[in-house]
Amino acid sequence: QKEVEQDPGPLSVPEGAIVSLNCTYSNSAFQYFMWYRQYSRKGPELLMYTYSSGNKEDGRFTAQVDKSSKYISLFIRDSQPSDSATYLCAMSSVGNNDMRFGAGTRLTVKP
Amino acid sequence: KAGVTQTPRYLIKTRGQQVTLSCSPISGHRSVSWYQQTPGQGLQFLFEYFSETQRNKGNFPGRFSGRQFSNSRSEMNVSTLELGDSALYLCASSSPGTTGSPLHFGNGTRLTVT
Repeated sequence: QKEVEQDPGPLSVPEGAIVSLNCTYSNSAFQYFMWYRQYSRKGPELLMYTYSSGNKEDGRFTAQVDKSSKYISLFIRDSQPSDSATYLCAMSSVGNNDMRFGAGTRLTVKP
Repeated sequence: KAGVTQTPRYLIKTRGQQVTLSCSPISGHRSVSWYQQTPGQGLQFLFEYFSETQRNKGNFPGRFSGRQFSNSRSEMNVSTLELGDSALYLCASSSPGTTGSPLHFGNGTRLTVT
């Protein structure tokens, strides 16, 4: 079993839909949780960064962390075709800069 | 502020050759990490450097090595290339000495081994 599990998709939604992306993990030592967006032929771009449990909102994006369930989510409201990309969850533990990544979910938002 | 810069963007090498990839971190960032990204394995951690010292190392053979210079720029070397080394190699930097600080990635070097 991988430390971080993420459904690779692909996921296809119509423009304006709410998108829900999720990851589960097994290592309870993880304290820092991130979501990255990666466009084709580009490096991952940091979208959201949270510490421990709770919610964080930034524009159309909301990140949720539930440490008791070892489950994190990213919600995208009013999705746009420009949101079409691969979304990677990532996490690391306190005192350890070795970040673990999910496999990435490929998202397509159709006009 | 300029982002993480990686050179070259693309490389084609032959089996058995060696290759050196270069990374310039965001100004002020002293930690540089390297990752290998492939469709089958996703992002895999290679190593991390901080203040010219390797601080963490992933589970890769000794053919993969790196170093960091006093200006925080980093290089990664792969010797005796194998077909399986074909991948996107990503460099990422983070804030100095901050535990758990997020990584900021460059656009990678696409290495093809023939």
